Amino acid sequence: EPEVTQTPSHQVTQMGQEVILRCVPISNHLYFYWYRQILGQKVEFLVSFYNNEISEKSEIFDDQFSVERPDGSNFTLKIRSTKLEDSAMYFCASRGGQSPYTFGSGTRLTVV
Amino acid sequence: DAKTTQPPSMDCAEGRAANLPCNHSTISGNEYVYWYRQIHSQGPQYIIHGLKNNETNEMASLIITEDRKSSTLILPHATLRDTAVYYCIVRPRSEKLVFGKGTKLTVNP
Repeated sequence: EPEVTQTPSHQVTQMGQEVILRCVPISNHLYFYWYRQILGQKVEFLVSFYNNEISEKSEIFDDQFSVERPDGSNFTLKIRSTKLEDSAMYFCASRGGQSPYTFGSGTRLTVV
Repeated sequence: DAKTTQPPSMDCAEGRAANLPCNHSTISGNEYVYWYRQIHSQGPQYIIHGLKNNETNEMASLIITEDRKSSTLILPHATLRDTAVYYCIVRPRSEKLVFGKGTKLTVNP
């Protein structure tokens, strides 16, 4: 069964550093998403991406965040200057047409 | 956006059917009911979805009331591996999924 692959599974970074979280969506999917889940809290929407541009973003997705699909297969989330409160699980998801979302297994980001 | 109401937690005996309810009284006519689950801290996993007819797949059955104001997810023979948080989501007009707190299902041996 096709999978959404996320790397790394765990990333530790110092406050103020830039991080890039990587995702390989399912190959024929056209819609891509990032969600995050702070420990013990709900899964929160960050951003959706379609046709090489952001189609919707949440209030969380401020200027510190950016997304990119650099090569037609990867989908990345960049946090420019990490804060302690950015510590969370970050989930990438993709879907094609009317198909349901498929989520990756997540990247645990720890900011110290 | 339609809202859903789910019990915060439920228990089920292994091998028995687990019936997870969801209320969505403000659902719009073109909105689907989706069910996802999250096992521990893994990524949410799609289970099933429906519009107004009952649906069944290899994982579960979805029963939607005729007025579409509520639904029930049925896991016919729950196993320990079905212990998870189950989310009932009514797909809003915008494309994103909005997760609530869900129902924490514990399957007991």
